[in-house]
Amino acid sequence: DTAVSQTPKYLVTQMGNDKSIKCEQNLGHDTMYWYKQDSKKFLKIMFSYNNKELIINETVPNRFSPKSPDKAHLNLHINSLELGDSAVYFCASSQGGAGARKGEAFFGQGTRLTVV
Amino acid sequence: AQSVTQLDSQVPVFEEAPVELRCNYSSSVSVYLFWYVQYPNQGLQLLLKYLSGSTLVKGINGFEAEFNKSQTSFHLRKPSVHISDTAEYFCAVILFSGGYNKLIFGAGTRLAVHP
Repeated sequence: DTAVSQTPKYLVTQMGNDKSIKCEQNLGHDTMYWYKQDSKKFLKIMFSYNNKELIINETVPNRFSPKSPDKAHLNLHINSLELGDSAVYFCASSQGGAGARKGEAFFGQGTRLTVV
Repeated sequence: AQSVTQLDSQVPVFEEAPVELRCNYSSSVSVYLFWYVQYPNQGLQLLLKYLSGSTLVKGINGFEAEFNKSQTSFHLRKPSVHISDTAEYFCAVILFSGGYNKLIFGAGTRLAVHP
């Protein structure tokens, strides 16, 4: 049983298109994240939701819009895709947002987005 | 200042040799420290973590790390590596900001084990 699952695993699309990546966790965690991994393997946090509330929003273009319909899901919608959006996007979850410093994060397998 | 710095971008090593992957953290962040491993085309998996207590932490796959507060380091070690250890290794810290924690990663170290 996969703990954190993302779909799709691969996504190839043209510039200007709008696409979504879905993420679900079955760990009962209250906090979910989106990370972007660039071609140099650098991992950067994009967003974090705690109990469906946006708590972290790094300097990400507003073409990126996360949506959390419930605690177990955090989807990422990207409008007007650009070449520079090509990367691997990882969803993660942990138990504990506010005041909890011990939150080990569990990661999905990643979505490789290629914009052509 | 960087919250966490991995000093080596690549570490080549022969099979069965010992290895150390270096990680230093900023003294301004919490001392909740993690090492994650990413095998090719896969997600990240936790190797080990330091939250408190003994400064020598043992993890999965024979890895261990030592928390050194005076040197603000959390280096990862394995006494004898296997080909299957070839992967990207990330050191991470918890940064407490705005009432919430963020898991911040270093730039990663590529461990390449050669026969």
